[in-house]
Amino acid sequence: DAGITQSPRHKVTETGTPVTLRCHQTENHRYMYWYRQDPGHGLRLIHYSYGVKDTDKGEVSDGYSVSRSKTEDFLLTLESATSSQTSVYFCAVTGGGYNEQFFGPGTRLTVL
Amino acid sequence: AQSVTQLGSHVSVSEGALVLLRCNYSSSVPPYLFWYVQYPNQGLQLLLKYTSAATLVKGINGFEAEFKKSETSFHLTKPSAHMRDAAEYFCAVSDLASGTYKYIFGTGTRLKVLA
Repeated sequence: DAGITQSPRHKVTETGTPVTLRCHQTENHRYMYWYRQDPGHGLRLIHYSYGVKDTDKGEVSDGYSVSRSKTEDFLLTLESATSSQTSVYFCAVTGGGYNEQFFGPGTRLTVL
Repeated sequence: AQSVTQLGSHVSVSEGALVLLRCNYSSSVPPYLFWYVQYPNQGLQLLLKYTSAATLVKGINGFEAEFKKSETSFHLTKPSAHMRDAAEYFCAVSDLASGTYKYIFGTGTRLKVLA
């Protein structure tokens, strides 16, 4: 399972509050990704990282920021959560010889 | 730009029947293609991958997919559906051109298996 954990696994918060989701990996993968999954949209890339302190935006990055101060941790922050950010968030790493991505178990976030 | 289209957001088959889930891609370079499965309340699990070696790719749980360049397709099949195959399936193409290993995902197909 590529040693990926996500925390918290479930969170309910209120509009306007900051939220940070954590992705932790144990296998020293260089590339890490944050996706959101919504019905009818599949998975959409929010941000990704190609090394410590090296990050870039994905297709749905508005309202999100990320940080990676250590190889093993990739944090996703919603500075001021909105109801449209209610979703399931997945972290992934690239680990295989052919760019396979391996996914964490997900975080279900509800913004009221 | 690369893209992936999955035809049919919902597919129902009877137990024991053929499973066919469709995926078409668009890519300006030879692609790497992937199929993932997601069981309820779980993350995505890699089923199989195409990396330009063999056009017919075998994966886990009896699934296979055939890469057809002329049709820009990578359809997923299984000869005989089982109840445990009920899940959501995602096709993805790797954005090799960007050098970032990013994926572009299809919107998914939810497979229902009828007893």
